[in-house]
Amino acid sequence: DTGVSQNPRHKITKRGQNVTFRCDPISEHNRLYWYRQTLGQGPEFLTYFQNEAQLEKSRLLSDRFSAERPKGSFSTLEIQRTEQGDSAMYLCASSPKRLAGVTDTQYFGPGTRLTVL
Amino acid sequence: AQKITQTQPGMFVQEKEAVTLDCTYDTSDPSYGLFWYKQPSSGEMIFLIYQGSYDQQNATEGRYSLNFQKARKSANLVISASQLGDSAMYFCAMRDITNTGNQFYFGTGTSLTVIP
Repeated sequence: DTGVSQNPRHKITKRGQNVTFRCDPISEHNRLYWYRQTLGQGPEFLTYFQNEAQLEKSRLLSDRFSAERPKGSFSTLEIQRTEQGDSAMYLCASSPKRLAGVTDTQYFGPGTRLTVL
Repeated sequence: AQKITQTQPGMFVQEKEAVTLDCTYDTSDPSYGLFWYKQPSSGEMIFLIYQGSYDQQNATEGRYSLNFQKARKSANLVISASQLGDSAMYFCAMRDITNTGNQFYFGTGTSLTVIP
């Protein structure tokens, strides 16, 4: 399987605990994105990496959220001191190096569903 | 203002019939891309079709076609010969090159149910 993979697929945690999610992009893709999707909504952009550099961060990404992509391959998204409002599906996507224009389609993983009790 | 608007929360279609899912967008950038994704109950976002703002012809991919009306800023998805497996959420998304130019803006989605 050469698609985007995410682990774990489901995570249940208690409020106040820290959680970490992992995303493995398609191997030749140098761009990696994190999105959050709540019930009844479309995905909302959180952050973006080009290789190991985090180039964009949404205002949605509070200080409790941190993302890394240390070697330009897999990425981790950590949420500290989780709150019930953090309950959502966290989606990872990757895209190949953009040559020109806006045609770099993003390919999504299956997501990690987080439930904060 | 919403970048992407999908006004149909839910749609029903008879199996083998065609269905149109609406999407309007808002951007002042002359260069942008429009995408449609399908999200089954499993949660994975599946890329369906892409339309560039400078493309002269409407995009087609198998049973999917995009009715692109630039002046009206609409990019409706047409699914022909609906199948039971088409039942899912469908999201319209846009990427323009204003600001950072790398994030996608998604609509709120349309839930499609195909009736046997």
